[in-house]
Amino acid sequence: KNQVEQSPQSLIILEGKNCTLQCNYTVSPFSNLRWYKQDTGRGPVSLTIMTFSENTKSNGRYTATLDADTKQSSLHITASQLSDSASYICVVSVSGGYNKLIFGAGTRLAVHP
Amino acid sequence: GAGVSQSPRYKVAKRGQDVALRCDPISGHVSLFWYQQALGQGPEFLTYFQNEAQLDKSGLPSDRFFAERPEGSVSTLKIQRTQQEDSAVYLCASSFLTGRESPLHFGNGTRLTVT
Repeated sequence: KNQVEQSPQSLIILEGKNCTLQCNYTVSPFSNLRWYKQDTGRGPVSLTIMTFSENTKSNGRYTATLDADTKQSSLHITASQLSDSASYICVVSVSGGYNKLIFGAGTRLAVHP
Repeated sequence: GAGVSQSPRYKVAKRGQDVALRCDPISGHVSLFWYQQALGQGPEFLTYFQNEAQLDKSGLPSDRFFAERPEGSVSTLKIQRTQQEDSAVYLCASSFLTGRESPLHFGNGTRLTVT
């Protein structure tokens, strides 16, 4: 069964600190992996998208890594800000046909002053 | 418009009522998706449209759920005889292309509460 698992389920950090969120997937066949940020009461917003051949991609203070051999990804947030408080969702696209996405349950991040 | 628009933003329905949720995708976007998001969970796929054609409805949980996109733009998700387990946020997303690397743009969802 295609699954995406994320850890930790929730995380609290102090403003200015770094953190790393984890994602493991069993989706096959794999097409690409995406990280989304979802603020409370809003729709998800894309942060990064990586294909099989890419092992790192940055978007400002967000850096995603992908190890397609071990089927693991991480999202590293540098110098966190209060506005980073949100859910971060790992999403894997299934190869073949249209854009079918498998979503993880997300990691809820709270950044405290 | 500037983004994907969904209405209503919130909907409260009594058990057994029918509801209709609307999605206005970004103009010109070919692909349109509906997702269901339970509290504290990631979105789960319901159905996919390419223009007006519903190519995948494998995620619809029962025959009480029906979606349409008759002119290939606005889409409506209808839920008949709502049940409490239908309470969730319903997200709509669209993309310009149909390919697997096409960026998806999400609306802010409709929060449905069935009492």
